[in-house]
Amino acid sequence: EAQVTQNPRYLITVTGKKLTVTCSQNMNHEYMSWYRQDPGLGLRQIYYSMNVEVTDKGDVPEGYKVSRKEKRNFPLILESPSPNQTSLYFCASSSFGGQGERETQYFGPGTRLLVL
Amino acid sequence: GDSVTQMEGPVTLSEEAFLTINCTYTATGYPSLFWYVQYPGEGLQLLLKATKADDKGSNKGFEATYRKETTSFHLEKGSVQVSDSAVYFCALVRRADGLTFGKGTHLIIQP
Repeated sequence: EAQVTQNPRYLITVTGKKLTVTCSQNMNHEYMSWYRQDPGLGLRQIYYSMNVEVTDKGDVPEGYKVSRKEKRNFPLILESPSPNQTSLYFCASSSFGGQGERETQYFGPGTRLLVL
Repeated sequence: GDSVTQMEGPVTLSEEAFLTINCTYTATGYPSLFWYVQYPGEGLQLLLKATKADDKGSNKGFEATYRKETTSFHLEKGSVQVSDSAVYFCALVRRADGLTFGKGTHLIIQP
């Protein structure tokens, strides 16, 4: 089954304790991205990757890191989490479409993070 | 910069009512347009898309037409069901670096 998986699905942590949220896709997609969803703000892009070893900042990258060492995996790293990073996080992937546009993005089930 | 504006709701309708959720966008060029749906406790699923002007996307009884002259992509359904209750997001593909989303419209269908 084609899918994007994220782990963990739920996480409660404390300020300053490093954490990693994993994302994996089995569709051989080149493009992967992380979004956060907050009430009243919709979804905002954190980081994206157009292929292995190629990453770039989205709209709200502060406080986050990513890596893309393998095509299927795109972990999101919070080196020193703060309460304002409490949010619902989604990973997504897609293949390249025509004219360089993204084709349909497939989303993971989400990771709900609470930073105390 | 690129942006998407949609009614935020909540929008509450009775079963079998006609649904319209408005979406307008600001973008350079001719972006592809999408509607995603998020059911309670789940991730986002693509509902429909349109890649050029006058295209109509459709799926599960929902439709939306890409209107370049009004920069709009309104979502419609002729007869909604309780199972359509969800949050609906309008989005566009922004150059080469990802989706720009509207803030989402919470739809509640009452029996």
